[in-house]
Amino acid sequence: EDKVVQSPLSLVVHEGDTVTLNCSYEVTNFRSLLWYKQEKKAPTFLFMLTSSGIEKKSGRLSSILDKKELFSILNITATQTGDSAVYLCAVIIQGAQKLVFGQGTRLTINP
Amino acid sequence: SAVISQKPSRDICQRGTSLTIQCQVDSQVTMMFWYRQQPGQSLTLIATANQGSEATYESGFVIDKFPISRPNLTFSTLTVSNMSPEDSSIYLCSVGRAGTDTQYFGPGTRLTVL
Repeated sequence: EDKVVQSPLSLVVHEGDTVTLNCSYEVTNFRSLLWYKQEKKAPTFLFMLTSSGIEKKSGRLSSILDKKELFSILNITATQTGDSAVYLCAVIIQGAQKLVFGQGTRLTINP
Repeated sequence: SAVISQKPSRDICQRGTSLTIQCQVDSQVTMMFWYRQQPGQSLTLIATANQGSEATYESGFVIDKFPISRPNLTFSTLTVSNMSPEDSSIYLCSVGRAGTDTQYFGPGTRLTVL
């Protein structure tokens, strides 16, 4: 069974801290990994990763994929209260277009 | 990306009734999907909405309970039939285009069944 596991499930930090969110996967035939941020209802797209070792970066957020060790990390530097959200990791499998989601990491940034 | 709208944004329904959720995209897309997010849980794919043919359902989801229509490349509906409190969830549509794995999500419909 295809599985995506995120850790930690919950994280509380102070504004200005740097956080690292983890996503590991066990899937039959990996194609790509996506990160989303969910604040209320709709997940908003952050990154798509298909190749190992190539960092994707957007402002204070960055992500990288390790296809040998089957994991990805999402880093957020100089966190702000607006970064508080659930961060979702999802995998797409070869031959299927569907997203298989992890449980999410609930990140809370305290002022 | 695409601009996606969903209607209604939220609803409170009585047990045994049905609700139809609409998903509209501002441009033609290849793929449309329907996901469910139960309280405190992550997203689970219900089905892939296929234009001009029957939807493809995931294990645990059936057409009688979640009938789906997709009459064209910009619109789809999901009906939650004969609702029970266990159907209380956020329902999300997402869209994708051929040649890219990125999916974009609509704003979601928060359904509460009493």
